[in-house]
Amino acid sequence: DAGVIQSPRHEVTEMGQEVTLRCKPISGHDYLFWYRQTMMRGLELLIYFNNNVPIDDSGMPEDRFSAKMPNASFSTLKIQPSEPRDSAVYFCASSLGPGWIGYTFGSGTRLTVV
Amino acid sequence: AQSVTQPDIHITVSEGASLELRCNYSYGATPYLFWYVQSPGQGLQLLLKYFSGDTLVQGIKGFEAEFKRSQSSFNLRKPSVHWSDAAEYFCAVGDLNFGNEKLTFGTGTRLTIIP
Repeated sequence: DAGVIQSPRHEVTEMGQEVTLRCKPISGHDYLFWYRQTMMRGLELLIYFNNNVPIDDSGMPEDRFSAKMPNASFSTLKIQPSEPRDSAVYFCASSLGPGWIGYTFGSGTRLTVV
Repeated sequence: AQSVTQPDIHITVSEGASLELRCNYSYGATPYLFWYVQSPGQGLQLLLKYFSGDTLVQGIKGFEAEFKRSQSSFNLRKPSVHWSDAAEYFCAVGDLNFGNEKLTFGTGTRLTIIP
């Protein structure tokens, strides 16, 4: 089992550019979570999916952020246009059942917007 | 809504000494509780979890945690720390309510090990 796979590991982009972060959950896991980690705010849940359907996107900071899960093995988090305050580490996690049973996290994508 | 408080932002411990990291939770029912560890540049790894039963749970890397309902606490302990334990530690509580099935994390405790 390769675990949760995120790409890219690092992304540096200029303000105003579109950024797409990718996640491949563990096979068979039907819940997928996107978190953002910053020094100031800690770990924030952005959105989570169950069986590819978004369940709670109340943590998505604004309309510039969007997330999709077109199938059970792939999800994207897109920021358009990006801003310097979006700089953070973005984590994807998946779980075999509801999130309260515990997640497996990916290694994260460190995003820097200059 | 559930919440988790980790009162210690940063703890420094000598190698070989014992360790206790504090975690207090707020949840209206029997909580599902977790400890995760994050090494620099890495994702979070599950150390241990409590669902029910024995209030003392054992985890990986020699860690244990004790659930105390009366104190709303779930403190993490290790009898003798190793330099490789230097990392950030997160406590989390799970919400069982349908449509809100996620973990809520504390702000973390950074552990520094000195020789």
